[in-house]
Formats: sequence, C-alpha cells, structure tokens
Amino acid sequence: DTEVTQTPKHLVMGMTNKKSLKCEQHMGHRAMYWYKQKAKKPPELMFVYSYEKLSINESVPSRFSPECPNSSLLNLHLHALQPEDSALYLCASRGSSYEQYFGPGTRLTVT
Amino acid sequence: DAKTTQPPSMDCAEGRAANLPCNHSTISGNEYVYWYRQIHSQGPQYIIHGLKNNETNEMASLIITEDRKSSTLILPHATLRDTAVYYCIVRSLNTGFQKLVFGTGTRLLVSP
Repeated sequence: DTEVTQTPKHLVMGMTNKKSLKCEQHMGHRAMYWYKQKAKKPPELMFVYSYEKLSINESVPSRFSPECPNSSLLNLHLHALQPEDSALYLCASRGSSYEQYFGPGTRLTVT
Repeated sequence: DAKTTQPPSMDCAEGRAANLPCNHSTISGNEYVYWYRQIHSQGPQYIIHGLKNNETNEMASLIITEDRKSSTLILPHATLRDTAVYYCIVRSLNTGFQKLVFGTGTRLLVSP
C-alpha cells in the first residue's frame, strides 16, 4: 500500500480563520513533506520532517505552522492567511529509495 | 542539484511508445535521476529512478546515456490515462536526498 491520505479535499477559509490540514501514511516512512502548488506551476517545497523533527523550512511565513505528532501523521496549521495563499497543498512521504509518495492534495481557497 | 531541461510539451498517439527526453548536462557522479508525473488535479506520482544503468519497472523504462548528461523516459504503450505533466528531477546526495525541486516538466498529451 503506497497511499498517502489528506483531509479535507477542499477548504474555504476567511483571512481571520484558523484551520488545519491533515496528512496520514501507514507505510512506515520516517520523512514527510508539505508542498504548495499554484495553478499551472510545479509544486514548491515548504517543510520537511525527518523522524518527527522539522529538518527543512523553506522560509515559509509563520502563518503556516507544521506539526508532526507521530511518524504517521503530519498537520499544517493555518492562521491569518492571505488570498494569495490559495493553492493546492500536497503532502508526501519518502520511501527507502528516497522516492516520494504524494497524497491527492487539499485545495485551499482563502476569501 | 543539477539543472534539468525538458521540452515543454509532446504529443503521442495511443498505443505508441512515448519517449520523453531530459537533459542534465551538469549532473555529477553522486546524483540520481528521478521521474515523476502529475495527472491533472492529482498529486505527483513517482515513476522510476536511476543512477547510471538503465532501469525498468511496471510503469516505464529509464534510459540514461553513458556520459549521464541526458536520459529518456519510455512509456512503451501509451494510453489516454498517461496524459500528464512529466517531471525529470536530479537529486543530490549532498542534500541528503531530502529536497525534491520540480522544474516545469513536459506536458504529454496522448491522443486516440
């Protein structure tokens, strides 16, 4: 099973809201990723967690707050977002040959 | 990580082989070539990777030239469901293989 699940599939939030995106994998992978993808652009790396510790933060604004409660779960907490943060947010986990398995994404709209 | 160059778009007839080229002329000895694809509105999907030998799996074949400066992803019998953006990515041991930097990819359109 190479499935990464993400919830919710779609999310609409106002600029004053607080919401969270969730990602889950049960492949035993110890590295997990958040990417952001704008329309017609390639995915861009945001965060990397390795063994439940944040190892890479690609200078992401603090209104995005990642959390890795355990090796199977990854959250992305959202607060005070801007309309330009509207995008597809992708989660991935990394396999033993450093290949990455992606979830279907959460399509976020900030109004 | 070495930079990659891919054609922006390609067409292929259903049932024929799709050969997607990638140039990575600055690749160094410890860098691997990975291929992913992204079907519209879905997450990217890992296809295959290699260092210097040709590789084959159930999805595709990867041919890397002897000098490693270019590679070709081959989908032997393309179907309509293979229509997607294909990304060639070179990854370095220097970053611990952690970072995956996507370029603009090749948009493959498979037609009946």
